[in-house]
Amino acid sequence: HLVLTQSPSASASLGASVKLTCTLTSGHSSYAIAWHQQQPEKGPRYLMKVNSDGSHSKGDGIPDRFSGSRSGAERYLTISSLQSEDEADYYCQTWGTGTVFGGGTKLTVL
Amino acid sequence: EVQLLESGGGLVQPGGSLRLSCAASGFTFSNYAMSWVRQAPGKGLEWVSVVSGTGGSTDYADSVKGRFTISRDNFKNKLYLQMNSLRAEDTAVYFCARQDSIAAVGVIDYWGQGTLVTVSS
Repeated sequence: HLVLTQSPSASASLGASVKLTCTLTSGHSSYAIAWHQQQPEKGPRYLMKVNSDGSHSKGDGIPDRFSGSRSGAERYLTISSLQSEDEADYYCQTWGTGTVFGGGTKLTVL
Repeated sequence: EVQLLESGGGLVQPGGSLRLSCAASGFTFSNYAMSWVRQAPGKGLEWVSVVSGTGGSTDYADSVKGRFTISRDNFKNKLYLQMNSLRAEDTAVYFCARQDSIAAVGVIDYWGQGTLVTVSS
């Protein structure tokens, strides 16, 4: 059964970096995932796809401050030089029997 | 520029029906699978349904199977979600989303702004 696990919350200071984690269930470590950002009161926005080899491809207009990587069953979203507008919910997503979303991580920029 | 514009949301009584539409533009609609994703108030994202680019393959979340029907019109560049036997727990913002392949798999790479469905008496 394919499940994506995310920490419910994270925080980091303005101008700092933060690394968010999405963990695939055992047996699914080769799956690609996507990261999506949802700012308060807005619809989600596609950030990037992180492939099983760790390469990533970003959506239109996504700044270089956003990058993706992997280690085993973990997929990461790193945001550097944090800005106030990065305060948002971040969801990872993949597909198996239908599309699967992680529970989301609420990022607070201090 | 890819644009997805949902419409059709509103207030409906339990047991009622509603049909959502999504108008797509800025890309070759028939080359991409399309999904509906919903978000209940204060909750996370929940996938609802997907249809392949040709319309020949569909899939549904267990929570809506047998009650919701996804379809598409590749001539009109429109996606639909027919929702029957609505329940209070179907109350959510419904998003139209494009998948990154013609098959009913893959990641979502574009989102609409959503339309609110409220099921209440």
